[in-house]
Amino acid sequence: EIVLTQSPGTLSLSPGETATLSCRTSQSLTGSFLAWYQQKPGQAPRLLIYDASIRATGIPDRFSGSGSGTDFTLTISRLEPEDFAVYYCQPYGDSRTFGQGTKVEIK
Amino acid sequence: EVQLLESGGDLVQPGGSLRLSCAASGFTFSSYAMSWVRQAPGMGLEWFSGITDSGGDTYHAESVKGRFTISRDNSKSTLYLQMNSLRAEDTAVYYCTKGSDTSRPYYFDYWGQGTLVTVSS
Repeated sequence: EIVLTQSPGTLSLSPGETATLSCRTSQSLTGSFLAWYQQKPGQAPRLLIYDASIRATGIPDRFSGSGSGTDFTLTISRLEPEDFAVYYCQPYGDSRTFGQGTKVEIK
Repeated sequence: EVQLLESGGDLVQPGGSLRLSCAASGFTFSSYAMSWVRQAPGMGLEWFSGITDSGGDTYHAESVKGRFTISRDNSKSTLYLQMNSLRAEDTAVYYCTKGSDTSRPYYFDYWGQGTLVTVSS
């Protein structure tokens, strides 16, 4: 069973700043099969990134994903008010367990 | 446009049963794996059940194994979740999700709006 560790738990930033979210896996992910999802209060999660670095349809280019092996990063440049939300990472090879989430809140 | 519409959530007593449905449209339902993901109040996401495109293979996490059963009716483009022996810890919003690909490991590219299941006496 792959264990995911997302950090930090909460990120307090101002609009216009850059958010850097980390997702570490206990085992190396083959094929970089890792996705990122965004969830706003009262809404279903939405796919942002898949295959570690490919933006899903309609996702603005201020969202970028990177990494391989066991270390992955979601970067949100120039934070917009609508970007303040909870972000989850999820592998989808041998396991589909979600990370515990990182909350990006307004400072 | 892909749409996933869950229904069936309700307040149920501990030990009771419930069946959730997810009506799919906007894609060839029979070609994609489907899953259920749940989220307890104030908590994170838990993928706990999945089914292949044909329905021939299913997965249930240990937390629900023996109590929940995922199934699908491709002729009706509908995904189901039969929930028995419900416990307080099953209280959550239940999301139906669509698998992204037919020929490689899949992520969840579409999510329903969720249906709330509350287990309480």
